[in-house]
Amino acid sequence: GQNIDQPTEMTATEGAIVQINCTYQTSGFNGLFWYQQHAGEAPTFLSYNVLDGLEEKGRFSSFLSRSKGYSYLLLKELQMKDSASYLCATTDSWGKLQFGAGTQVVVTP
Amino acid sequence: DAGVTQSPTHLIKTRGQQVTLRCSPKSGHDTVSWYQQALGQGPQFIFQYYEEEERQRGNFPDRFSGHQFPNYSSELNVNALLLGDSALYLCASSLAAGYEQYFGPGTRLTVT
Repeated sequence: GQNIDQPTEMTATEGAIVQINCTYQTSGFNGLFWYQQHAGEAPTFLSYNVLDGLEEKGRFSSFLSRSKGYSYLLLKELQMKDSASYLCATTDSWGKLQFGAGTQVVVTP
Repeated sequence: DAGVTQSPTHLIKTRGQQVTLRCSPKSGHDTVSWYQQALGQGPQFIFQYYEEEERQRGNFPDRFSGHQFPNYSSELNVNALLLGDSALYLCASSLAAGYEQYFGPGTRLTVT
């Protein structure tokens, strides 16, 4: 079957680092996206991985292992504004996104 | 450059009624996808439109239908509304399949 798993909630202190793991089993895999979604708002793009390895973009990095069906999103130097839900989503060759349930990150002072 | 726009922002309907939601894609984008997001869940793919045709469809009943117009804007229609249809409906546009999708602000539908 098709499945995308990520933790429900993570809590971290301002300035710290948090790693959100995502495991997936989807057909027609053509890449993995990470989105950030604040409450009541639309998801916003963070990163896209199609090849194995690490992609770094400022305070955010994302890693993909296609053979293991595994990805993670690394958030460094956490800020209060980073409190949000983080969505892992796989895409097929037509751009159909399949999302996990999201990981709620709570940043505390 | 206007991003993806959706209307209306909020909508309250009664069970059994019909609803139409609208989406205008980001300028230059030709592909529109619709997603349903229940509270506390990730978005679920409803269907995707390209060149005015439904190209892919998720596991949603025929009560959910759509349309894409020549200017690439799109509509989502839901007939015979159920309480379980209450959700945030998101529209996403992209330039080509597999590229980054830009999401609109969503339409919050409440069915009473």
